[in-house]
Amino acid sequence: NAGVTQTPKFRVLKTGQSMTLLCAQDMNHEYMYWYRQDPGMGLRLIHYSVGEGTTAKGEVPDGYNVSRLKKQNFLLGLESAAPSQTSVYFCASSKNTGELFFGEGSRLTVL
Amino acid sequence: AQSVTQLGSHVSVSEGALVLLRCNYSSSVPPYLFWYVQYPNQGLQLLLKYTTGATLVKGINGFEAEFKKSETSFHLTKPSAHMSDAAEYFCAVSEASGTYKYIFGTGTRLKVLA
Repeated sequence: NAGVTQTPKFRVLKTGQSMTLLCAQDMNHEYMYWYRQDPGMGLRLIHYSVGEGTTAKGEVPDGYNVSRLKKQNFLLGLESAAPSQTSVYFCASSKNTGELFFGEGSRLTVL
Repeated sequence: AQSVTQLGSHVSVSEGALVLLRCNYSSSVPPYLFWYVQYPNQGLQLLLKYTTGATLVKGINGFEAEFKKSETSFHLTKPSAHMSDAAEYFCAVSEASGTYKYIFGTGTRLKVLA
């Protein structure tokens, strides 16, 4: 059972470069989320989606863009990476039971 | 606005001792409350959740939590710690608003001493 799959798992970027993180879920969940995890700060919501074709901003959306063209995929883009975006990124999905299902994370380093 | 406070960023217990991880929340509407566990280099997994009904909730791996509305608390306990319980634990709150926007606490890292 794949659940929530994130690619890539590791990436190193130089300041100003762009990249896209891909999240795929096979549970037919309506809701999908992107979080970032930083030491001592817990998880902070970047963007989320309540269905195909819809996205919304979370707590820390600046510097990120997202798209949900297909129900099973949720993409997180960084147009011009900054060192402050060095973090571990988690994708999650949920249905109406309220439980979040997480991917294993993507570790991004921006030099 | 909702918020979650986890008291103690690091907790150490001896193997076999009681585990108590504290979580207090604020919410203007009846909350849904969750505890998640994160093992090294992994994503978060659900331990247990409270939505409605019984205030004492049992989860996986022998953990349980009690929702106390008067104290706005949802503390996590386990009677006897095992070495495999060493991990980071996150408390989260959400509103049943349809979007399930979750607010996470900053986490408590549990260390189990032999």
